[in-house]
Amino acid sequence: NAGVTQTPKFQVLKTGQSMTLQCAQDMNHEYMSWYRQDPGMGLRLIHYSVGAGITDQGEVPNGYNVSRSTTEDFPLRLLSAAPSQTSVYFCASSYSGRGRYYEQYFGPGTRLTVT
Amino acid sequence: AQTVTQSQPEMSVQEAETVTLSCTYDTSESDYYLFWYKQPPSRQMILVIRQEAYKQQNATENRFSVNFQKAAKSFSLKISDSQLGDAAMYFCAYRSSYSGGGADGLTFGKGTHLIIQP
Repeated sequence: NAGVTQTPKFQVLKTGQSMTLQCAQDMNHEYMSWYRQDPGMGLRLIHYSVGAGITDQGEVPNGYNVSRSTTEDFPLRLLSAAPSQTSVYFCASSYSGRGRYYEQYFGPGTRLTVT
Repeated sequence: AQTVTQSQPEMSVQEAETVTLSCTYDTSESDYYLFWYKQPPSRQMILVIRQEAYKQQNATENRFSVNFQKAAKSFSLKISDSQLGDAAMYFCAYRSSYSGGGADGLTFGKGTHLIIQP
């Protein structure tokens, strides 16, 4: 299993540009999520999905869109990049079953710089 | 909303010694999950240990163990026989047992930078 994969690993954008961060997992996990990590901070939840076709907002959703058309993929779209979105972005997935939740598996992260 | 506090921005320990990292959290829920994640310089988030709140027994994973004090809302991580490879940022995280309404996802502390002195 490849686990959780993210592309690209690094990206530089100009203010106002748009782009999509890709995330895929091959563990058949229902739950997927996106976090951002800023210096001196823990990870903060942007958006999450509990299954194909179902998404919801986390703590810091503004400026980002998500969709989940398949179990495997959960892309994150930046609509109009701003310097405040300079961060490291992590995708994660986890299994949930029998009413319990299990640990999240993280991708390697994407370092995004907006100039 | 739940909050997670790690009061030690940085800790230093001699190789082979024991170190304890502190974590406290605030919640009104009775059922939840707590995690410790390790983030080495590679920035990969690696699960160290997991604790379910309804379990009174403290979780252990080899050299890593927790002291879970539910009434005190405390969840400290003890690393025994510290090794150079343990050097990393350590994050404490909380997850509600509920789903929906923003409850999904992990709430992280700001992290503790662990330095291992050879």
